[in-house]
Order: sequence, then C-alpha cells, then structure tokens
Amino acid sequence: SAVISQKPSRDICQRGTSLTIQCQVDSQVTMMFWYRQQPGQSLTLIATANQGSEATYESGFVIDKFPISRPNLTFSTLTVSNMSPEDSSIYLCSGQTHNEQFFGPGTRLTVL
Amino acid sequence: GENVGLHLPTLSVQEGDNSIINCAYSNSASDYFIWYKQESGKGPQFIIDIRSNMDKRQGQRVTVLLNKTVKHLSLQIAATQPGDSAVYFCAEILDTGRRALTFGSGTRLQVQP
Repeated sequence: SAVISQKPSRDICQRGTSLTIQCQVDSQVTMMFWYRQQPGQSLTLIATANQGSEATYESGFVIDKFPISRPNLTFSTLTVSNMSPEDSSIYLCSGQTHNEQFFGPGTRLTVL
Repeated sequence: GENVGLHLPTLSVQEGDNSIINCAYSNSASDYFIWYKQESGKGPQFIIDIRSNMDKRQGQRVTVLLNKTVKHLSLQIAATQPGDSAVYFCAEILDTGRRALTFGSGTRLQVQP
C-alpha cells in the first residue's frame, strides 16, 4: 500500500487569495487524482493529475481556478485560486497502484 | 473533528450486531466497485472491492454483495465494533482508462456500546 501525505493539513484564508496544497506519495503510483469533499458531503473528483502534462479536469472544474502540477510520479500540487467562501472544503489527493486507490488525510480549507 | 457525515443518512447498531450498508450505483457499464471507510479527520480507507463479474466477495468480517440487475451494492459488517463507527462510501469506476472513482453519497454508521 502507499502512504500519502498532504500539506498543509488545514488553513484559513482570505477571500481573493490563493493556496497551494502539496501531495506526496511514499512510492510510485500510476495515477494521481484530486478530490473535493464539502462539509457533510461525498467526494467529487476535480481532476486527474498527469505527470509532465496538463491535468484532465472534470465537468465544472477549470484549470484557471484549480491549476495542478505533477512533476514526477510521487508528487502533485493543487492550487485553489482567487478563493471565495464557496471554496471552503476538504481537498484530498489520491494515488493509484494496480487497482487500489489510496487517499491522503485531506486539507481542510476555510475561506473567510 | 471534521464534519464528515454531518448531513448523511445514519445507521445506528448495537455492538456485536451485524450491519448492512446499502448503495445504489449509477452506471451499468461500471466494472469495478469499492467500499471505503472514512473516520473523522481522515481520508477514505479502502475496505473491500468487487469486480462486475462477481456477485459476492468476502473479507475479514466484511462481505460485499453486488446485484447488477438493480445496480445495487451492499456492505455487510459482522459483529460490529465501536471502531467500525465511521462514514462508509461506495465508489464505482466509470472510466476504465483513467480509473477515476465516482463516489456514492455515503452512510454514517454509529455503533452503540
């Protein structure tokens, strides 16, 4: 199994600012994903982080708002840009090896 | 703790009883299903998976049943323990290429000692 860490674990940010979340996997994974989980809700896929190329975004999510990088097989970042209170959520990254997908502990973001 | 499961349906059981958590999935073309457990303040944790060519799979104290006719998935937990208290999500893989997960709405399991 893979162990995934995220930084920061939580943050409180002002409206209009941006936050970059880091995701580190302790072993190589084939796929990496970013999800959002709003309070009391299920997880929604934001995008697939592709190594060395642009991420693949789901409907309703765009690169200008959520730029993603994945420079190698074990690391990815998600930036939440020009934040508003509606972006308050838990952001989780995951990595996939074979058929199993492992999740990080999440980053809890509060936007004031 | 985090607000995971705050607005989700809740199943309350007594310690030692068996629990059954149900899930309806959306796409008849999905070929792989997973149950995850999410404790407060943590990311989802893999419990058990099942492929679409199976209708039952057993793990340690857990059994997953798949009914493709009605697109229904269930998770059975035997001899439920207080440590089983969490939010449980089913997930399906719709895109066999990317293997991205689509999550169900989730159920909060409360185990009464």
